[in-house]
Amino acid sequence: GAVVSQHPSRVICKSGTSVKIECRSLDFQATTMFWYRQFPKQSLMLMATSNEGSKATYEQGVEKDKFLINHASLTLSTLTVTSAHPEDSSFYICSAMTPRAKDNSPLHFGNGTRLTVT
Amino acid sequence: AQSVTQLGSHVSVSEGALVLLRCNYSSSVPPYLFWYVQYPNQGLQLLLKYTTGATLVKGINGFEAEFKKSETSFHLTKPSAHMSDAAEYFCAVIPSGNTGKLIFGQGTTLQVKP
Repeated sequence: GAVVSQHPSRVICKSGTSVKIECRSLDFQATTMFWYRQFPKQSLMLMATSNEGSKATYEQGVEKDKFLINHASLTLSTLTVTSAHPEDSSFYICSAMTPRAKDNSPLHFGNGTRLTVT
Repeated sequence: AQSVTQLGSHVSVSEGALVLLRCNYSSSVPPYLFWYVQYPNQGLQLLLKYTTGATLVKGINGFEAEFKKSETSFHLTKPSAHMSDAAEYFCAVIPSGNTGKLIFGQGTTLQVKP
């Protein structure tokens, strides 16, 4: 079945630095990927929709200059948390739509990245 | 705006007992409906989904859910809980007309006691 790989699984960084998270579709081409954020013991909140070859679409309240999304190829989307602060510490998860998702089901999620900003 | 409500943030059952996790959505037009499971520090795994057709949907690991339009509900059930079912469960919808953008419920932690 379709596999989405997310890397790294865990990252600890110092306040003020930037962190890049990768989301790869391993055996299919994904023109659309989604990035979610999950706070401890809470649900997933959609941050942005990543479209191959075009600008990402951000949800209301998400700072696009802080959370940079690049979808340069059909198999890779990256999320860069710029000038990270402790409040950015969270669990970030990506998902990808397969071309066969005629019923609009994204279905395939990465295993998430635990970001801790010290 | 579309919303999803999961009644009960924490559900505890004994091994072998019925599992019932509740989910209601707010929409006059039925959306696509999903149940996902999440194990600690992992991503989400799709349990089952409803898009069209039969309203009783069977998923993996013995789970099933029934779409009831009149009640705007999509409750998840399993006849007999296993210890391995202990996890976080999320109900989610894709609003009618949207593509791929999931709206999640708050999640329900399922505890299975021996």
